Amino acid sequence: GQQLNQSPQSMFIQEGEDVSMNCTSSSIFNTWLWYKQDPGEGPVLLIALYKAGELTSNGRLTAQFGITRKDSFLNISASIPSDVGIYFCAGTSSSGYALNFGKGTSLLVTP
Amino acid sequence: DAGVTQSPTHLIKTRGQQVTLRCSPKSGHDTVSWYQQALGQGPQFIFQYYEEEERQRGNFPDRFSGHQFPNYSSELNVNALLLGDSALYLCASSLATGTGETQYFGPGTRLLVL
Repeated sequence: GQQLNQSPQSMFIQEGEDVSMNCTSSSIFNTWLWYKQDPGEGPVLLIALYKAGELTSNGRLTAQFGITRKDSFLNISASIPSDVGIYFCAGTSSSGYALNFGKGTSLLVTP
Repeated sequence: DAGVTQSPTHLIKTRGQQVTLRCSPKSGHDTVSWYQQALGQGPQFIFQYYEEEERQRGNFPDRFSGHQFPNYSSELNVNALLLGDSALYLCASSLATGTGETQYFGPGTRLLVL
């Protein structure tokens, strides 16, 4: 599978700050998905994007499907301690059904 | 509405043994995908099953095989276990609508090979 480039690798922020992370691919993707994973658990879907340029919000989370179809970003506003975890971007290309994942962004939030 | 369930939650095996992991999809879903997640890495696609057939396969050896049953549940079998097979094995389910189907993950099975 294709590896996505996800950055930053980790973030250490204070409660109340906004967070931004992004993901890029060398090829065009048909969908972009953002997941959050807590230690020892499965990834939980946060936001799914299906069209280039699409901007979607889920509470304090906002994500966009890049116009070039090769990138996506996730923003978290006014972070809280329960936002701690690893955030993964994932996408599917036109060639199949497999989800290709980034290596994750580890987020730590201090009270 | 039951989500994706997996069993067992944890498993310890020795090299050379065989293991079977099980997955029940989210209610209303008909497609099951399996992923392997090594520590500190993102999940890697193993294969996907739809209509009881393997629809797509990732870059994994033939030691990894699977099955989907008429009720859409699925099994992942790994033969001749290696130390490197130690990982979190994730099952994801989706509804077949074409490419770009949204996949929902189960809690995973943690496999340790000694």
